[in-house]
Amino acid sequence: DGGITQSPKYLFRKEGQNVTLSCEQNLNHDAMYWYRQDPGQGLRLIYYSQIVNDFQKGDIAEGYSVSREKKESFPLTVTSAQKNPTAFYLCASRLHGYTFGSGTRLTVV
Amino acid sequence: AQTVTQSQPEMSVQEAETVTLSCTYDTSESDYYLFWYKQPPSRQMILVIRQEAYKQQNATENRFSVNFQKAAKSFSLKISDSQLGDAAMYFCAYRSPSYTSGTYKYIFGTGTRLKVLA
Repeated sequence: DGGITQSPKYLFRKEGQNVTLSCEQNLNHDAMYWYRQDPGQGLRLIYYSQIVNDFQKGDIAEGYSVSREKKESFPLTVTSAQKNPTAFYLCASRLHGYTFGSGTRLTVV
Repeated sequence: AQTVTQSQPEMSVQEAETVTLSCTYDTSESDYYLFWYKQPPSRQMILVIRQEAYKQQNATENRFSVNFQKAAKSFSLKISDSQLGDAAMYFCAYRSPSYTSGTYKYIFGTGTRLKVLA
């Protein structure tokens, strides 16, 4: 079955460390998105990509980086510059509507 | 800029009863799309229902229906015959029709947590 796979489900980061969240889709969707979810704040757009080798900043891109070397993959790196990275991260791809992954919970320890 | 407001952080409903979740939005665009997403404890976002602004008829999907009031910019979700599996966080979302900056931008509300009481 087609879908979006996010891994890992839970991730722990030490202060000052970069970590990468994986997002893979086999839906053949061109557009992919990363959202951050915090309690009481809904979903906020971090980065998005419409095609391979192209991506754009969303509303809260500071402290994050992405790449889009393959259509199927859109990894998100949370850098040490992100001061408050503890959150739930959702990846999505889009054709006519969004399809979401199951998310990654990132915690700073 | 468009905004989406969900003014009910939490709602409760008795099993088999009906509940309505509220959503209001603000936009200057005349053609757009509205969505309700469900996020159960598994945290996966699931599309519940979708409404095109140009359609006057309210969308319906089985036990889920919307009351779309375009002039009032209101988009409420009605869940009939509530079931225990309906317990989740529900998000209202707005999608601009404009292919601006290379994407169709979605704007999400802050969510309403629905509890279903047995």
